[in-house]
Amino acid sequence: DSGVTQTPKHLITATGQRVTLRCSPRSGDLSVYWYQQSLDQGLQFLIQYYNGEERAKGNILERFSAQQFPDLHSELNLSSLELGDSALYFCASSTTLSSYNSPLHFGNGTRLTVT
Amino acid sequence: DAKTTQPNSMESNEEEPVHLPCNHSTISGTDYIHWYRQLPSQGPEYVIHGLTSNVNNRMASLAIAEDRKSSTLILHRATLRDAAVYYCILRAIAGGTSYGKLTFGQGTILTVHP
Repeated sequence: DSGVTQTPKHLITATGQRVTLRCSPRSGDLSVYWYQQSLDQGLQFLIQYYNGEERAKGNILERFSAQQFPDLHSELNLSSLELGDSALYFCASSTTLSSYNSPLHFGNGTRLTVT
Repeated sequence: DAKTTQPNSMESNEEEPVHLPCNHSTISGTDYIHWYRQLPSQGPEYVIHGLTSNVNNRMASLAIAEDRKSSTLILHRATLRDAAVYYCILRAIAGGTSYGKLTFGQGTILTVHP
């Protein structure tokens, strides 16, 4: 158990809809990262928050947004969903801002299916 | 982050050692070498990391070449539970605009036979 909790585990929704994925980091971790994993793209970094502030951005679509709350949990909002957004979405956390000498701890993901 | 090259797949027998290679010929002096693995239907899991010296932990050992252009993850006695995709990733000390992110490649699919 990594200590990172993601909810829900599975989500099925229709095109055009909006969903929110939630992540609770490990106790004491200030950094939260979001990753998307699809069959053809592998694990893609979306965005990182550190202590409530956005610190790094990957190839995150404009239809996607995220935030980290004062209690350090994070939410990833996906809107105007398309079939291609179907993927596994992982949240990870770490104690520090930079992961060069500190491991990331991943949750078990939310599987999003857009029909 | 500098690029790494790993074999697409490897096979091993249970209870035998496994050596998973990673080439990183463009590594810089400030790049840490990280290994993660992803078991089926789970999120990636941290395995080990190092800078210059060989490292050991309860999961594995990391052997780093003297010139640091390659490294090897060693699983001393493979179990069926070690069947996973193994990712070798370089992380630079300097953050810039990529503070914490890990850039995952395709990794090596390890199959362990009973």
